[in-house]
Amino acid sequence: DVKVTQSSRYLVKRTGEKVFLECVQDMDHENMFWYRQDPGLGLRLIYFSYDVKMKEKGDIPEGYSVSREKKERFSLILESASTNQTSMYLCASSPPRTRTGTDTQYFGPGTRLTVL
Amino acid sequence: LAKTTQPISMDSYEGQEVNITCSHNNIATNDYITWYQQFPSQGPRFIIQGYKTKVTNEVASLFIPADRKSSTLSLPRVSLSDTAVYYCLVGDIISSGSARQLTFGSGTQLTVLP
Repeated sequence: DVKVTQSSRYLVKRTGEKVFLECVQDMDHENMFWYRQDPGLGLRLIYFSYDVKMKEKGDIPEGYSVSREKKERFSLILESASTNQTSMYLCASSPPRTRTGTDTQYFGPGTRLTVL
Repeated sequence: LAKTTQPISMDSYEGQEVNITCSHNNIATNDYITWYQQFPSQGPRFIIQGYKTKVTNEVASLFIPADRKSSTLSLPRVSLSDTAVYYCLVGDIISSGSARQLTFGSGTQLTVLP
């Protein structure tokens, strides 16, 4: 089974702190994603990476950056956390459709971040 | 950017067939339609994906009309354990790196009653 793990289930930080959210997948997937999930808004894509050191902005990249130094690990960075970044953060990975015929995303359990 | 619209909630009884429709009027030619299921405190889980017409797997069917501006997830004979939030996702990931924007619907809370 594909496994996507996230470094923390719950995290509490203060305004202005630098926050790192880590995601690791064990299936050698090329694609990795970071989403945030808020009530009534569903999932919104923050950043996407299709290969090591490669990244693409999603719908809401403002206030976030990402790092992908190794294929299995994709980090989301909040340079200076703000209260409006309090949310559930979900990481996902997927193989390319060219290899499997589908681009099914496999999600981690999520990190609930609270910024005080 | 394909915006998606789903009903906020639906109720059903055990053993019934449930159909959840997602509207995506601005779907692009290369976009696929994918449905995910999410239980509380878990990440979403893939159910089914399609491009056009009908797709069926062991848990669901996906109906997509010719104009592709909507799609319907069909769950046969639901049980209490199917109570969850269901999301439709419209978009396309191109492995070459020209990432397309992926648009999730806001989700439909399905409650299955005994």
